[in-house]
Amino acid sequence: EAQVTQNPRYLITVTGKKLTVTCSQNMNHEYMSWYRQDPGLGLRQIYYSMNVEVTDKGDVPEGYKVSRKEKRNFPLILESPSPNQTSLYFCASSSNYQPQHFGDGTRLSIL
Amino acid sequence: GESVGLHLPTLSVQEGDNSIINCAYSNSASDYFIWYKQESGKGPQFIIDIRSNMDKRQGQRVTVLLNKTVKHLSLQIAATQPGDSAVYFCAERGASGSRLTFGEGTQLTVNP
Repeated sequence: EAQVTQNPRYLITVTGKKLTVTCSQNMNHEYMSWYRQDPGLGLRQIYYSMNVEVTDKGDVPEGYKVSRKEKRNFPLILESPSPNQTSLYFCASSSNYQPQHFGDGTRLSIL
Repeated sequence: GESVGLHLPTLSVQEGDNSIINCAYSNSASDYFIWYKQESGKGPQFIIDIRSNMDKRQGQRVTVLLNKTVKHLSLQIAATQPGDSAVYFCAERGASGSRLTFGEGTQLTVNP
């Protein structure tokens, strides 16, 4: 089954404790992206990657890092999480110029 | 700045009626538009897309209309069903690549 898989689905942690949210896709897509979704603000792009070893900032990259060492994986790293990063996060992937497929989301709570 | 937005945050319809969800965009260079449906606890799901060289596209029970003159996009759902209840997002893509800009979403509620 074609899918985008995020882990964990839920995480409660504390300020300053590094965390990584993994994202994996099995569709051989070149493009991958991370979004955060907040009430009243919709989906905002954090980082995206056009292909392996190619990443770029989205609209709200501050406080986040990503890497794209393999085509299927695109982890989101929060080196020193803060409460304002409490949000619902989505990973997405697509072939270039095709509709993006989304994962089911990761709900992060930073205390 | 560039923005994609929706006219109404909520829409309530009766089962069996047709639904129309609207979206305004401001980037006249956008060449591709997508509608997504997001159910509670899930990620957005692709519904239908349209390229800027078209003004109408039909799918199964859904139709997307694009009016480039006024930069307006709409999603029409025929014979709306309770399973259509969700948040609907429009998204636009600039001509430069795969990046999408999303609108804020419209909550569609279908009353039995």
